[in-house]
Parts: sequence; structure tokens; C-alpha cells
Amino acid sequence: AQSVTQLGSHVSVSEGALVLLRCNYSSSVPPYLFWYVQYPNQGLQLLLKYTSAATLVKGINGFEAEFKKSETSFHLTKPSAHMSDAAEYFCAVSEPGTYKYIFGTGTRLKVLA
Amino acid sequence: DAGVTQSPTHLIKTRGQQVTLRCSPISGHKSVSWYQQVLGQGPQFIFQYYEKEERGRGNFPDRFSARQFPNYSSELNVNALLLGDSALYLCASSLRDRGHYEQYFGPGTRLTVT
Repeated sequence: AQSVTQLGSHVSVSEGALVLLRCNYSSSVPPYLFWYVQYPNQGLQLLLKYTSAATLVKGINGFEAEFKKSETSFHLTKPSAHMSDAAEYFCAVSEPGTYKYIFGTGTRLKVLA
Repeated sequence: DAGVTQSPTHLIKTRGQQVTLRCSPISGHKSVSWYQQVLGQGPQFIFQYYEKEERGRGNFPDRFSARQFPNYSSELNVNALLLGDSALYLCASSLRDRGHYEQYFGPGTRLTVT
């Protein structure tokens, strides 16, 4: 069965510092992986996705993630945090041939001035 | 281009009542999925519809039902509301019904059951 674990329900970084949000997955087959961002009182916005092409995926707003099969990880990074990055971030997994996403519990990112 | 739209934005219902939530997908998208997001948690899959047929159902009771119309819009119905049904209900659309097609989410309908 698919599952997603996001380590750290809350992460705080200083403005300009590196952002690292962790996601580990469990899947019986090579999965599709996604990162979404959710701002308060809004829906989810796709940041980036991995669908078995390049293992380093670049997304919007300067975010990127690397698929590491050996570590079953898909961590999200951004070199320099901006105040506008403060939001909740969700990692999701989907298996080829299936129709649903399994989401992690989310990581709330706080950016300190 | 218009994104996924949902109505209403907010809704307050009483226990035991019934509610209908509506979703219009992005133009050209034939798949609609519904998710429930309880405060402090990630979205949980409820249903997926593709070409007006149910393609999948999550671990939700039969009080939850949905349908998709010929124009690909969708409704989610919840009967006999419980306090625990209070959540943000998200609709997502995608081109097809398979996982590598990214899902685009609407702003959600916040349901409060009192």
C-alpha cells in the first residue's frame, strides 16, 4: 500500500536560508510523486511533480526536489527562503495505473525575518 | 483560463442534514476527484469520476455519494451529517484518470456541521 511520511509538522527558517522539507514514501512500484503548497484558506497549488523522467525536478517559485529511489525520498528544497514561502506544504504519491493521490500530513513552513 | 471552481465557499449545516457541494473542472479536463481535508491533516481521497463513471472510492461511508454530469462538472453529496464531517472539501480536476496526470485543485468548500 502506498503511504507518505513528512518529517516535521512545523519547520522554521530565516529569510534567505535554505529550505528543506522532507518526504519519504512507500510504494510497491516506482511511484509518481508531487509537492503541493497550500496558503491559508486556499486550495492546493502544484509546485512540482516526478513521473519517472529526470530525478531532479524543478518547480515553480524556485523550488526543486530530488527523487532518490534507494532512500525512498522526495525532499523539497529551495536555496533561499522568502517571506512569501510561508505556507503549508504537502507531499503526495500516486502509483502508475491508479487514480488517487495519497497525501502526507503536511509541513507548515514559517519564514523568520 | 479559469481554474477549478467550487461552490459554495462556506457552508454551515446542522447534524443530520444533507449537503450538496459543486465543482466545475478546468475546461477540457474529464476527471474530477473529491478530497476531504480535516483541519491539521492532509487531504483524504473520497471519489474519482472519469467520463461520468466512478473510477474509485476512498474509505468513506455510504453517506457520501457523488456524480459527474455530461459537462464534466460534479456534485458531492453527504447525507446524515455528523460533527466529524466538518472539513474543507476539495475538488481536483485532471485530463485523465491516471496518476501521472497532475491534479489541479479548486479553492475548496469549508463545511461546518454544528
